[in-house]
Amino acid sequence: NAGVTQTPKFQVLKTGQSMTLQCAQDMNHEYMSWYRQDPGMGLRLIHYSVGAGITDQGEVPNGYNVSRSTTEDFPLRLLSAAPSQTSVYFCASSYFGSYNEQFFGPGTRLTVL
Amino acid sequence: AQSVTQPDIHITVSEGASLELRCNYSYGATPYLFWYVQSPGQGLQLLLKYFSGDTLVQGIKGFEAEFKRSQSSFNLRKPSVHWSDAAEYFCAVGDFGNEKLTFGTGTRLTIIP
Repeated sequence: NAGVTQTPKFQVLKTGQSMTLQCAQDMNHEYMSWYRQDPGMGLRLIHYSVGAGITDQGEVPNGYNVSRSTTEDFPLRLLSAAPSQTSVYFCASSYFGSYNEQFFGPGTRLTVL
Repeated sequence: AQSVTQPDIHITVSEGASLELRCNYSYGATPYLFWYVQSPGQGLQLLLKYFSGDTLVQGIKGFEAEFKRSQSSFNLRKPSVHWSDAAEYFCAVGDFGNEKLTFGTGTRLTIIP
């Protein structure tokens, strides 16, 4: 199993550009989530999904969209990138909810100029 | 809303010495609690978790944590640290009602020979 994969590993954007961060898992996990990690702030939940077709907002959802058309994939879309979205983004998945162990991807380092 | 406090930003410990990392949570009901570890440039890995029952839980790599409801704490301990334990450690609290996991700001552990 590949586990949780994220692409790209690194990305540089200009303010106002849009892009999609990809996340996929091959463990048949129902629960998937996106976090951003900033120095001194730990990980903050952006959006999460408890199954295909179901998504909900986390702590810091503004400026981000998600969809969950399949169990395996959970892409994160930046609609109009801003310098405040410069961060490291982690995708994670678990069986049936955040109360189970979450398996994290290797992260995407995003810089917005 | 649930919250997590990790009061120590950075801790330095000699190899072979004991370790205790502090975590305090704020939550009205019975939470579920986790400790995750992040090695440099990596995603997070679960060390241990607490849902209910025995308040002393054992995890991987020789770590343990004790849930103390009266003190709202879930401190992580290890009797003898190894150089490979150098990493950042995150405490997290969850809520069975809303599927969201809240992370603390992390404690960076440095091991000196």
